[in-house]
Amino acid sequence: EADIYQTPRYLVIGTGKKITLECSQTMGHDKMYWYQQDPGMELHLIHYSYGVNSTEKGDLSSESTVSRIRTEHFPLTLESARPSHTSQYLCASSRGGYNEQFFGPGTRLTVL
Amino acid sequence: KQEVTQIPAALSVPEGENLVLNCSFTDSAIYNLQWFRQDPGKGLTSLLLIQSSQREQTSGRLNASLDKSSGRSTLYIAASQPGDSATYLCAVMGGGTNAGKSTFGDGTTLTVKP
Repeated sequence: EADIYQTPRYLVIGTGKKITLECSQTMGHDKMYWYQQDPGMELHLIHYSYGVNSTEKGDLSSESTVSRIRTEHFPLTLESARPSHTSQYLCASSRGGYNEQFFGPGTRLTVL
Repeated sequence: KQEVTQIPAALSVPEGENLVLNCSFTDSAIYNLQWFRQDPGKGLTSLLLIQSSQREQTSGRLNASLDKSSGRSTLYIAASQPGDSATYLCAVMGGGTNAGKSTFGDGTTLTVKP
């Protein structure tokens, strides 16, 4: 069973606030990913990391930023939340080589 | 740019029926293909992973095949049950210049009626 955690699970916040979505995994995976998914729509990769101090932007442009200071932790930050950021954010991780991705439960963000 | 298409978008079957979900992709230079299920409002659960060098993988009532040259994968579900109702997603992880990036299809929403 995958051990990947996301907090908070749900967040309702006002426009202009700074928010950080947390993602942690206990599997020792080197690769981690953030996806954005609108209801009923496909997932889009917004950030990924191959390891500590490695971060790359995905295919979907995002105003968010990420950091990877520790292997197990890959937080996503929005400096100033806007209603257009309302979506579900899914974190995943995989081990180099086999690359089977395991997903966390997601954070559903609503910006008012 | 990799594009992934899943057909059909929705499928409704009676319990006990065997069914096939389809996934096609445009760039055959892939590293692997992974099938997931997603329940409403939840994260994704990995079902099967097929490496680019493999032709199929099986887990219980599920069988996934991969034909990389034609850009197609199928997910076969045998003896469907109401608990199989969910959205099924395929994801293609790129190779080469797209290494490490996964592209997802829109999904097939399956309803299995008792």
